[in-house]
Amino acid sequence: GIQVEQSPPDLILQEGANSTLRCNFSDSVNNLQWFHQNPWGQLINLFYIPSGTKQNGRLSATTVATERYSLLYISSSQTTDSGVYFCATHSGGYQKVTFGTGTKLQVIP
Amino acid sequence: ETGVTQTPRHLVMGMTNKKSLKCEQHLGHNAMYWYKQSAKKPLELMFVYNFKEQTENNSVPSRFSPECPNSSHLFLHLHTLQPEDSALYLCASSRGLAGVGNTGELFFGEGSRLTVL
Repeated sequence: GIQVEQSPPDLILQEGANSTLRCNFSDSVNNLQWFHQNPWGQLINLFYIPSGTKQNGRLSATTVATERYSLLYISSSQTTDSGVYFCATHSGGYQKVTFGTGTKLQVIP
Repeated sequence: ETGVTQTPRHLVMGMTNKKSLKCEQHLGHNAMYWYKQSAKKPLELMFVYNFKEQTENNSVPSRFSPECPNSSHLFLHLHTLQPEDSALYLCASSRGLAGVGNTGELFFGEGSRLTVL
């Protein structure tokens, strides 16, 4: 099956700093999602982005499908951005979504 | 609010108990999923239902028994669980399965945190 790797595994930021999270995948993909898991466990949709670039407030994401990676940018980070960020993708037109191992982000005041 | 509601949010049960987790989606989706998230492990897909029919059982032990009475509701019946089954159980839905004219974009509930004593 497809392999999904995320980097860095852990990240500590000062409030107000910017960051880039990376998701690499081993095969061509049909779609890609970014999620934020809050401290209470809920997975919140950030982006559905099989290709191209999208922006939502302080967050933006870019997927370069031909290069098999996706990036999540967080600008002017806030303490509420803390949590774990996952990318997830489908491969081969199949319903089995593969999740990356996540990037744990801590934003400190 | 994601449109996917899970109850209970927290559950503590003994190994001989029988309990159920409930998931309800208000998004008009046709596919529903159970995922398991254990500490230090990636999310694991457990079951997939599409139009009430099970399409995926990812080698889940029989002590976990899913039920999907309609496209809006999904249950996970639990019996004779083991302490290692303690985890966060996440329900998700999508408009349809990926690759059949749908993106397969997933929407998750808040999760049910299960502790087995």
